[in-house]
Amino acid sequence: GNSVTQMEGPVTLSEEAFLTINCTYTATGYPSLFWYVQYPGEGLQLLLKATKADDKGSNKGFEATYRKETTSFHLEKGSVQVSDSAVYFCALHKAAGNKLTFGGGTRVLVKP
Amino acid sequence: DAGVTQSPTHLIKTRGQQVTLRCSPKSGHDTVSWYQQALGQGPQFIFQYYEEEERQRGNFPDRFSGHQFPNYSSELNVNALLLGDSALYLCASSLGYREDEKLFFGSGTQLSVL
Repeated sequence: GNSVTQMEGPVTLSEEAFLTINCTYTATGYPSLFWYVQYPGEGLQLLLKATKADDKGSNKGFEATYRKETTSFHLEKGSVQVSDSAVYFCALHKAAGNKLTFGGGTRVLVKP
Repeated sequence: DAGVTQSPTHLIKTRGQQVTLRCSPKSGHDTVSWYQQALGQGPQFIFQYYEEEERQRGNFPDRFSGHQFPNYSSELNVNALLLGDSALYLCASSLGYREDEKLFFGSGTQLSVL
């Protein structure tokens, strides 16, 4: 079946540091890929998505490129802020419908 | 415009009891999905409701059941609670269930089973 694997956290960074969170997936065919963010006490919010190979999703300074050859969708941000502290989830959906399969989440803590 | 609202925010139950969680979708949305998020893990799909019927179900036992009302709100019921049912239960709504329909999540109900 479909599955998503992402790096375990927590990831602790200083403000303005470069952030990378690795995400790889297992699925037949061409799933759509997503990054969701969960701030403390809040629900999941869609951060960015990509629906086909080589697509780059971007939002709020975050980027991720859909790499079919390595089945990856790594999340990057060039300069993090304290406000980026959250849990980040990589997810996919495949086949009919908008049901999502999530990775385990990566907690990011940005210190001033 | 209210987003997805869930109630209650927190709930404590005892093993063997039954629980009902509630969800009101974002205005204009007609499809509700439920996810279980255990501590330190990613959300897992429980089921999805559209037109008052369960249209898709994840790998959860029959103890987990749901309902959708004519106003599109939804309930998640869990019978014979187990310790392992302790989790954050997330509701997500969308306009339809096509692949390109964006999901909007509520803040969840934190269920603790003692």
